[in-house]
Amino acid sequence: EVQLVETGGGLIQPGGSLRLSCAASGFTVSSNYMSWVRQAPGKGLEWVSVIYSGGSTYYADSVKGRFTISRDNSKNTLYLQMNSLRAEDTAVYYCARSKRSWSGKDWFDPWGQGTLVTVSS
Amino acid sequence: DIQMTQSPSSLSASVGDRVTITCRASQSISSYLNWYQQKPGKAPKLLIYAASSLQSGVPSRFSGSGSGTDFTLTISSLQPEDFATYYCQQSYSTLYSFGQGTKLEIK
Repeated sequence: EVQLVETGGGLIQPGGSLRLSCAASGFTVSSNYMSWVRQAPGKGLEWVSVIYSGGSTYYADSVKGRFTISRDNSKNTLYLQMNSLRAEDTAVYYCARSKRSWSGKDWFDPWGQGTLVTVSS
Repeated sequence: DIQMTQSPSSLSASVGDRVTITCRASQSISSYLNWYQQKPGKAPKLLIYAASSLQSGVPSRFSGSGSGTDFTLTISSLQPEDFATYYCQQSYSTLYSFGQGTKLEIK
């Protein structure tokens, strides 16, 4: 079964750092595009970052320079290192695989269950 | 960056109704458009990919259409389990983006 499980969320003070993990099963993280998507309380979905199978990474402007996406191929796990956290980073963070078609189109499936990050003093 | 705009933001409908949700992109995205359903406290679920392809296991009352900048998600006959929030998402750009969501409520 293809599955993603996020861990690492919690309460952190403004300016602090946190690392989220996303353990995959049923497929190989390094062979896929993998993304982080977040959802602030009561708000919509916001794409955060992607890492391509080739290793290229991209970020939303709201997190560029503060967040780093990475993966550990030996552990089949995706990470999101979050530094200089702000109150507006408070959200449920989901990891998701990009399923790609032969034509290059892609979509998020599956998604993890999410992990809550709360940035507050 | 590509902006995605959904309309309406919220919608009240009854079981059995036909419902259409619209998504507009700020530039042409061909058919690089996906639709998701999200229920409270749950992760989003893929419904439609590449504008019009139905994800395996999703009921056939859901359908998607469009290309370029204008897209629609249609539910042909609303069922009680369809009351949720729906999001469109573009995958044309390296920087993905979502619409703001459409909350579908029971009338």
